[in-house]
Amino acid sequence: AQKVTQAQTEISVVEKEDVTLDCVYETRDTTYYLFWYKQPPSGELVFLIRRNSFDEQNEISGRYSWNFQKSTSSFNFTITASQVVDSAVYFCALGPTDSNYQLIWGAGTKLIIKP
Amino acid sequence: SQTIHQWPATLVQPVGSPLSLECTVEGTSNPNLYWYRQAAGRGLQLLFYSVGIGQISSEVPQNLSASRPQDRQFILSSKKLLLSDSGFYLCAWGTENTEAFFGQGTRLTVV
Repeated sequence: AQKVTQAQTEISVVEKEDVTLDCVYETRDTTYYLFWYKQPPSGELVFLIRRNSFDEQNEISGRYSWNFQKSTSSFNFTITASQVVDSAVYFCALGPTDSNYQLIWGAGTKLIIKP
Repeated sequence: SQTIHQWPATLVQPVGSPLSLECTVEGTSNPNLYWYRQAAGRGLQLLFYSVGIGQISSEVPQNLSASRPQDRQFILSSKKLLLSDSGFYLCAWGTENTEAFFGQGTRLTVV
């Protein structure tokens, strides 16, 4: 079975702190993709990153960075020097894979950045 | 470039009334199309997906149906809405090798 777990339901930090959102996935397929999306209060899902299973190189984009570790089946997302505008719900997703072209979604982590 | 349009943005409908939400994609051919629902404060639930015209797969049995009359058009319907159908509905498109892009969503309130 394929599954994505975001164990942190809600995280609250003060602005300028660093914060890491955890994502653990399960799949038996060797080819798959992992995603992070941001959902601000407006509701629209904003694509942040896609990573394929053969590329374990970590990625940095401005204040955002992602740590992909196949050994622990994790794809964690870190925001450095958080800002109030980062407040949103963040979703991790798995797919498509060798056997399934749907996206399997985590439950989301609500991130609250306090000024 | 590819774009996805979803409308309306908000909708208030009485119980028992019909529903039709439309989603269209531009700039790509033969996309996979998806309808999701998100209940307040919760994660995403896949309702339907389609890999081609007339091909619809349902993930959750419910009061809703979907149709794909054209390659880049995906419609979510109901003959009689229930209170439990309230939620935020998102249309998305993707292919085997590209990420799923989402529409702006429709906030449906059944009263």
